[in-house]
Amino acid sequence: GAGVSQSPSNKVTEKGKDVELRCDPISGHTALYWYRQRLGQGLEFLIYFQGNSAPDKSGLPSDRFSAERTGESVSTLTIQRTQQEDSAVYLCASSLGSGGTDTQYFGPGTRLTVL
Amino acid sequence: GENVEQHPSTLSVQEGDSAVIKCTYSDSASNYFPWYKQELGKGPQLIIDIRSNVGEKKDQRIAVTLNKTAKHFSLHITETQPEDSAVYFCAAALYNFNKFYFGSGTKLNVKP
Repeated sequence: GAGVSQSPSNKVTEKGKDVELRCDPISGHTALYWYRQRLGQGLEFLIYFQGNSAPDKSGLPSDRFSAERTGESVSTLTIQRTQQEDSAVYLCASSLGSGGTDTQYFGPGTRLTVL
Repeated sequence: GENVEQHPSTLSVQEGDSAVIKCTYSDSASNYFPWYKQELGKGPQLIIDIRSNVGEKKDQRIAVTLNKTAKHFSLHITETQPEDSAVYFCAAALYNFNKFYFGSGTKLNVKP
């Protein structure tokens, strides 16, 4: 079946502009994660959605970052007033969310470049 | 919070040799340790995982060992092949809590 998809695959923007990144999780997966991966570094947790529960936003680096999820489907990550240090690959992952620690399936990521 | 450190950052081996990547974690409550492989331009993919109730797990050429006392775990790849070349990430999590802490990654290069 279809895996996690993300769009756009690449985004180049100017400093100060807002950007919106999209994630389509695997159908039936109730858990959804966003991570940031700076060049040559590991994955930095941003936010986690589980079903209808309040999201875990503890990883968002500033109030310029926000994310929404529509039910148990699409999620969007919004970065307002982008800064050059926001340049990174933004990865989305989904999992069954059935309890325990389910396998996360990652999308290919969106490469964001802030000029 | 949890802190995961991963070494080495780069590793180059000859095809057929073994490769070992090591990670340490700081939170003794962590009890789930997955390993991911990330190929160029793709998202990470789970290759093996281990829970704290076992010390070793093997899947063909890949094995993971865990030392809870020392708080470190390792990935072992035997008989390496060029297609094993990728970036490998370790992670630590608390089972039933879906927040993962990732290491900084190891770039493995297998020379033919």
